[in-house]
Amino acid sequence: DAKTTQPTSMDCAEGRAANLPCNHSTISGNEYVYWYRQIHSQGPQYIIHGLKNNETNEMASLIITEDRKSSTLILPHATLRDTAVYYCIVRVARGAGNNRKLIWGLGTSLAVNP
Amino acid sequence: GAGVSQSPRYKVTKRGQDVALRCDPISGHVSLYWYRQALGQGPEFLTYFNYEAQQDKSGLPNDRFSAERPEGSISTLTIQRTEQRDSAMYRCASSARTEDEQYFGPGTRLTVT
Repeated sequence: DAKTTQPTSMDCAEGRAANLPCNHSTISGNEYVYWYRQIHSQGPQYIIHGLKNNETNEMASLIITEDRKSSTLILPHATLRDTAVYYCIVRVARGAGNNRKLIWGLGTSLAVNP
Repeated sequence: GAGVSQSPRYKVTKRGQDVALRCDPISGHVSLYWYRQALGQGPEFLTYFNYEAQQDKSGLPNDRFSAERPEGSISTLTIQRTEQRDSAMYRCASSARTEDEQYFGPGTRLTVT
C-alpha cells in the first residue's frame, strides 16, 4: 500500500501557483519524498525529490515540514500544460532489495484552468 | 539522447497465447523497472533489475509472469498463457543508479481477447 495520502483532485487558475499537499506521517528517517506527474496517457515524469531540506529546480519547489510528516509541491506559475496527475511517493534511497521500489497511490488530478 | 523505448506499442493477443514485451533502457542506466498500469490507477510495481541481476520480483502477480535482462541492458517481460485480466498498459523505466529518478518509456498496451 502507498505510504502517502493526497487529495483526489485540485483546480488552479492559469498563471497562479499550484500547491499540492501530501501527507506521509509514517515516513522513516531514511526515506525520501519523490514527486512524479503523468500527463494524460504518457509515461510518468520525474519532478523533484528531497529528504528534509526544501528543494527547488526548474520545474517546481518542494517544501517538507520540519517533522517530515507532510510536504507540498509548488508549481510557481501553473500553465495549461501542467494539467496532470501528480504522485507523491516515499522511498528508501539507499539500501538493498525490496526497499528500492516505488509504491504509487492514486495521486492528485490537477486541472489548470484558463 | 534517446529515451526509454518499448516495443511493441500495442499488442492484441488471444487468451492462452504467450507474449513478450521488450524494453530498451537509456544507455548506461544501471536499474530497470517494470510496472503495470490500469486505467485511472497509478503504476503497479512488478520487478526491477540492477545490471543483469533481478533484485526484486515481489510484484509479479503469479508464475505466468517472468522477466529477464541477460546482458544488463535490454529487458523482456514475458507473460505465458495470457488471460483477459492481464490486459493493461505495461511500462518500463530506467535510472542511472537505483536511487536516482526513473525515466519512463511510452508503454505497451496489451489487450487479451
